[in-house]
Amino acid sequence: DAGVTQSPTHLIKTRGQQVTLRCSPKSGHDTVSWYQQALGQGPQFIFQYYEEEERQRGNFPDRFSGHQFPNYSSELNVNALLLGDSALYLCASSLAPAPKETQYFGPGTRLLVL
Amino acid sequence: AQKVTQAQTEISVVEKEDVTLDCVYETRDTTYYLFWYKQPPSGELVFLIRRNSFDEQNEISGRYSWNFQKSTSSFNFTITASQVVDSAVYFCALSEAKYGGSQGNLIFGKGTKLSVKP
Repeated sequence: DAGVTQSPTHLIKTRGQQVTLRCSPKSGHDTVSWYQQALGQGPQFIFQYYEEEERQRGNFPDRFSGHQFPNYSSELNVNALLLGDSALYLCASSLAPAPKETQYFGPGTRLLVL
Repeated sequence: AQKVTQAQTEISVVEKEDVTLDCVYETRDTTYYLFWYKQPPSGELVFLIRRNSFDEQNEISGRYSWNFQKSTSSFNFTITASQVVDSAVYFCALSEAKYGGSQGNLIFGKGTKLSVKP
């Protein structure tokens, strides 16, 4: 049973560029959440997708956007990259968008903005 | 406001020592869920345990045990007879059912880095 997968594993971009990160959820899961983890910090919630819609959003600017596809996979897009966007981006999937559901995480994408 | 505090930034122990990682949380909800995750150097967060606010029974899983006390808003994690493979960053997280619009997202502490030396 495949777990959560993310691509790419590493990415280097320059300021002002745009980036797209991808996530495939664990088999049987229909909810995908994205988190940003800066070095030495805990993950911060970006947004959550369910039924191809953004259900919740954390305190992130509109430069961060996403999408969920009919097969439940998801993309995270970041426009106009800033140096401060350098971080580990984690995708998590769960059985439903409910607080009680355990979120299972992928290996993450390490983004470096120069 | 909802918050998770892990006051211990780094802990270093020698193999076979017992170690306890502290977690204190704040929430206005009566229904909430607490989680512990392990993050090895590879970066992937590994789920360890989930506990709901109505279940204060302590849990033991092998060398791992968890002590949930609502009276002190704490959910501490103990590793007995630590091993080098336990070296990682450990995160405590909170998920609330009603307030703060945080239905389903996790609020993480800053993590505790555990180093187990042979």
